[in-house]
Amino acid sequence: DTAVSQTPKYLVTQMGNDKSIKCEQNLGHDTMYWYKQDSKKFLKIMFSYNNKELIINETVPNRFSPKSPDKAHLNLHINSLELGDSAVYFCASSQLTGRVNGGSPLHFGNGTRLTVT
Amino acid sequence: KNEVEQSPQNLTAQEGEFITINCSYSVGISALHWLQQHPGGGIVSLFMLSSGKKKHGRLIATINIQEKHSSLHITASHPRDSAVYICAAPNNDMRFGAGTRLTVKP
Repeated sequence: DTAVSQTPKYLVTQMGNDKSIKCEQNLGHDTMYWYKQDSKKFLKIMFSYNNKELIINETVPNRFSPKSPDKAHLNLHINSLELGDSAVYFCASSQLTGRVNGGSPLHFGNGTRLTVT
Repeated sequence: KNEVEQSPQNLTAQEGEFITINCSYSVGISALHWLQQHPGGGIVSLFMLSSGKKKHGRLIATINIQEKHSSLHITASHPRDSAVYICAAPNNDMRFGAGTRLTVKP
């Protein structure tokens, strides 16, 4: 059983389109995250949700909107895609947030490689 | 300057060698994470530690919270250890190092 699953694995689309990436975890964790990994392989947090509530919203364009229908799901919607959005997007989950004694181990999805042409 | 600094950036070793990867951070944290990113792209959590040392197989992680420094050691390295190793410091959010790309040659 896959603990954190995200779909699709690859996403190729044109500038200006709107797309979504889905993420689901079956670990019973309270916290879910979206991270962006750029071409230099540098990971950066985008959003963090705890029990369906947004707790971290880094400086990302408001074209990116997370949606958490329940604590097992955190989807990422991207409007008006731009070339610079091309990256690998990782979903992750953990039982605790980093604000609680350093958090707890992260469990990552396999990533979604987004290519905007 | 990144709040989490790793060294070296790239590391090539012969099979069997002892490997050390270092991580220094400037944020106040109570624990540090070590992650491994496989050549295929997947990321797994190796360690989360707040003091002293943790060992898992051939991997050992140490941390000195006062000095804000952590090390990841790999004993008897093997080509399958080739990956990018990333340290991460959870503050209000997670701050990542730039990663150390390790290549172990047979």
